[in-house]
Amino acid sequence: GAVVSQHPSRVICKSGTSVKIECRSLDFQATTMFWYRQFPKKSLMLMATSNEGSKATYEQGVEKDKFLINHASLTLSTLTVTSAQPEDSSFYICSARVTGFSQPQHFGDGTRLSIL
Amino acid sequence: QQQVKQSPQSLIVQKGGISIINCAYENTAFDYFPWYQQFPGKGPALLIAIRPDVSEKKEGRFTISFNKSAKQFSLHIMDSQPGDSATYFCAAMYGGATNKLIFGTGTLLAVQP
Repeated sequence: GAVVSQHPSRVICKSGTSVKIECRSLDFQATTMFWYRQFPKKSLMLMATSNEGSKATYEQGVEKDKFLINHASLTLSTLTVTSAQPEDSSFYICSARVTGFSQPQHFGDGTRLSIL
Repeated sequence: QQQVKQSPQSLIVQKGGISIINCAYENTAFDYFPWYQQFPGKGPALLIAIRPDVSEKKEGRFTISFNKSAKQFSLHIMDSQPGDSATYFCAAMYGGATNKLIFGTGTLLAVQP
């Protein structure tokens, strides 16, 4: 149980392109989803928290106009990197959790984004 | 106060040995402490977790030891196997509106055959 699917697993595109990454909870309803960015050999950096039906909350220093997050349903959240630049190249990982005390976050397998 | 400090940065253990990774925190409001295992190119997978009202939790070869007064917790991997070679992250979370996880810096474990 508690499977989170992330798609695509890898994307390569040119500078200026907008890229959409999907995060789905397959066997549970996720009231909250999180988006992380991870640089090589580094820890996960939280970018934003999204709750179903409301606007995402972005961490300090994360450009909300660059990284658009939509959490339209209890099983789907999307991250759109707008006008992607080479410095946006990274490993993006989503997680999902249900509401409740000490409910764990379950992670997707990440998306490797490479901007040429 | 939001940081979770993790050590060591890397660890080499012989097959069959015990791997020990340590974490420390400052914020006493944290009330949930999970450990995640991450293989290259994959997302983190929840390994084991503990709440501060428990001093130890064991699941198979994996044990969390928790010292509330010292604000420290550790992961012990017994009978370490080459398949355990991965990066391990401790984390801490406190309840509230966001339930955000604060991750440690990670430990790269290599188990030699």
